[in-house]
Amino acid sequence: SAVISQKPSRDICQRGTSLTIQCQVDSQVTMMFWYRQQPGQSLTLIATANQGSEATYESGFVIDKFPISRPNLTFSTLTVSNMSPEDSSIYLCSVGGGDQPQHFGDGTRLSIL
Amino acid sequence: RKEVEQDPGPFNVPEGATVAFNCTYSNSASQSFFWYRQDCRKEPKLLMSVYSSGNEDGRFTAQLNRASQYISLLIRDSKLSDSATYLCVVNSAGYQKVTFGIGTKLQVIP
Repeated sequence: SAVISQKPSRDICQRGTSLTIQCQVDSQVTMMFWYRQQPGQSLTLIATANQGSEATYESGFVIDKFPISRPNLTFSTLTVSNMSPEDSSIYLCSVGGGDQPQHFGDGTRLSIL
Repeated sequence: RKEVEQDPGPFNVPEGATVAFNCTYSNSASQSFFWYRQDCRKEPKLLMSVYSSGNEDGRFTAQLNRASQYISLLIRDSKLSDSATYLCVVNSAGYQKVTFGIGTKLQVIP
């Protein structure tokens, strides 16, 4: 399976600031996914990022709050904008899907003060 | 009704015990199914896919019951290292929709 690297692995941020999370894959993939996992909850899909097109956001998530870039087939970024304590979460990128399982990066643990 | 439902547990079992988890799904058109393992504050990792005929990987057995719309995971001879949260994952809508269960927490006790 693909090797997926996420940066940063963790951060503590002030409210009102923004943070960009990077996801690098060691092979070319068509679809990349961004998830959020809040404390004690399961994973919630934020958006699907396809190279060469706008990301597709799930209900409850908007581009202004979570802008995504997908400049090529091995890389994507997720920005968490104007952060509030409610954004404290683990953010995960993944690849795969379809009839295949998804594989995850090791996550970004974000705390907002 | 949630799309994918799991008993969050925790299931506390002694070492060596056999434990089983179920996961029910609401979309009869769901097409592929997986079990993931997630350790505390780590990313989910694929444990096994679930095939219609059932499949086994060492101490782990997964089953799919399409008629009743559930999948199961059986762990035999539980080890301390099996302590984790087990997530049920269902793909549907032409494989475009992936839904995660909330996870079942397993604690294996010495």
